[in-house]
Amino acid sequence: EAGVTQSPTHLIKTRGQQATLRCSPISGHTSVYWYQQALGLGLQFLLWYDEGEERNRGNFPPRFSGRQFPNYSSELNVNALELEDSALYLCASSLNRESGNTIYFGEGSWLTVV
Amino acid sequence: AQTVTQSQPEMSVQEAETVTLSCTYDTSESDYYLFWYKQPPSRQMILVIRQEAYKQQNATENRFSVNFQKAAKSFSLKISDSQLGDAAMYFCAYRSAHTGANSKLTFGKGITLSVRP
Repeated sequence: EAGVTQSPTHLIKTRGQQATLRCSPISGHTSVYWYQQALGLGLQFLLWYDEGEERNRGNFPPRFSGRQFPNYSSELNVNALELEDSALYLCASSLNRESGNTIYFGEGSWLTVV
Repeated sequence: AQTVTQSQPEMSVQEAETVTLSCTYDTSESDYYLFWYKQPPSRQMILVIRQEAYKQQNATENRFSVNFQKAAKSFSLKISDSQLGDAAMYFCAYRSAHTGANSKLTFGKGITLSVRP
């Protein structure tokens, strides 16, 4: 069974551009989470989607947005890129929004802003 | 809001020895889950072990075990018979048991574990 898959693996963008990262959850999972892991800052919660709806949002500016599609895959969009957006973006999924479910992570997408 | 603290940024252990990684957390809730995740150089977060707060028995997974002290809000990870493949960053994480908007994983800052051959 395939795990959480993310694309692209690496992405290089220029300041001010937009970046789109994609995530496919484990088959059958409806909840998708996005985390940012910047150097020295640990894992910061970005967004949580379940059943196509945004359930929670971390303390990030509105230029970080996303959506979840009917097949439960998700994309994260970052507009007006800034140098400090350079980070590893981790996507994770769980069976549904029940808190007892284990959250599984993908391998991440490296975003470099130059 | 819940917080997770890992005060040791780095630790080192000799191969085949035992090492304990510390974690404390702060919460006003009584029902929650605690996790240890491992992040090797490949950067994929791998679940090592989980503990339900309502269970008094400490969780065990092969060479990995936890010491869960609910009153002290402490959740340490013990790795026995350390192997070179255990070298990684280890994150302690908390999740509320109440399904809802706050039911997300909150992570500590992580600890880098190195294993000496």
